[in-house]
Amino acid sequence: DVKVTQSSRYLVKRTGEKVFLECVQDMDHENMFWYRQDPGLGLRLIYFSYDVKMKEKGDIPEGYSVSREKKERFSLILESASTNQTSMYLCASRTGALFTEAFFGQGTRLTVV
Amino acid sequence: AQSVTQLDSQVPVFEEAPVELRCNYSSSVSVYLFWYVQYPNQGLQLLLKYLSGSTLVKGINGFEAEFNKSQTSFHLRKPSVHISDTAEYFCAVSEGNNDMRFGAGTRLTVKP
Repeated sequence: DVKVTQSSRYLVKRTGEKVFLECVQDMDHENMFWYRQDPGLGLRLIYFSYDVKMKEKGDIPEGYSVSREKKERFSLILESASTNQTSMYLCASRTGALFTEAFFGQGTRLTVV
Repeated sequence: AQSVTQLDSQVPVFEEAPVELRCNYSSSVSVYLFWYVQYPNQGLQLLLKYLSGSTLVKGINGFEAEFNKSQTSFHLRKPSVHISDTAEYFCAVSEGNNDMRFGAGTRLTVKP
C-alpha cells in the first residue's frame, strides 16, 4: 500500500514564525502536491512538484514556498505565518501518469495564534 | 485550465434512500475524473475514477458515477445509502499539466 506521511497531525504556531510542514511518500511517485482545505472551499492547490527540485504554483501560492530536494519528500514552508493561514493542510502524491489517482496523507491541522 | 463545480454543498438524505451528488467540470481537452470520500478526521480515499471507455463507472461501497461528455458532468450515485456513508465527497479532475483540481465538496448526511 502507498503511504503518505505528514509529520504532524496538529500544530500551533505564533504569528510571524517560520513553519515547516513535511510530507514523505514511500512509492517512488513523481508528483507531489500540497493542498489547503477550508470549509466550503474544498481543496485548493497551493503548489505541486513533478520532479526533484521542480515545482509549479497552484491556485493560492501567496505566502507559501516549497522544497523538494529528494523524490520522496515535499516540504511546505510558511515564511511568516499569519492567522489567515490557519487551516487543514493535505499532502498527496501520485505517479507521473495523469490517469492515476492521488494518495493522501492524514492532514496537518495548523493553528496560527 | 480545468475547474470543478460541485453543485450541492450539503445533501441530507434518509437511510436506504437513493442519492446523487452532482459534479460539473470545465476543460478544453480530454480529462480524467475522480471521486474521493473523506470520513471525519481522516484523509481522502478514492471511490472511483473515469479514464476512458464505458461512461458508467463502478466504485467501492456501492457507489457509481456516470460520465457525460456533452454535459461535462460526472455525477455520483448510490441506489441505497447507509448511515456509514455520512462523509464529505470531492470530485476531482486531472488533465495535461500534471496537477489535480478539486471541487468544493458535498457533505452527505444520512439520517435514520
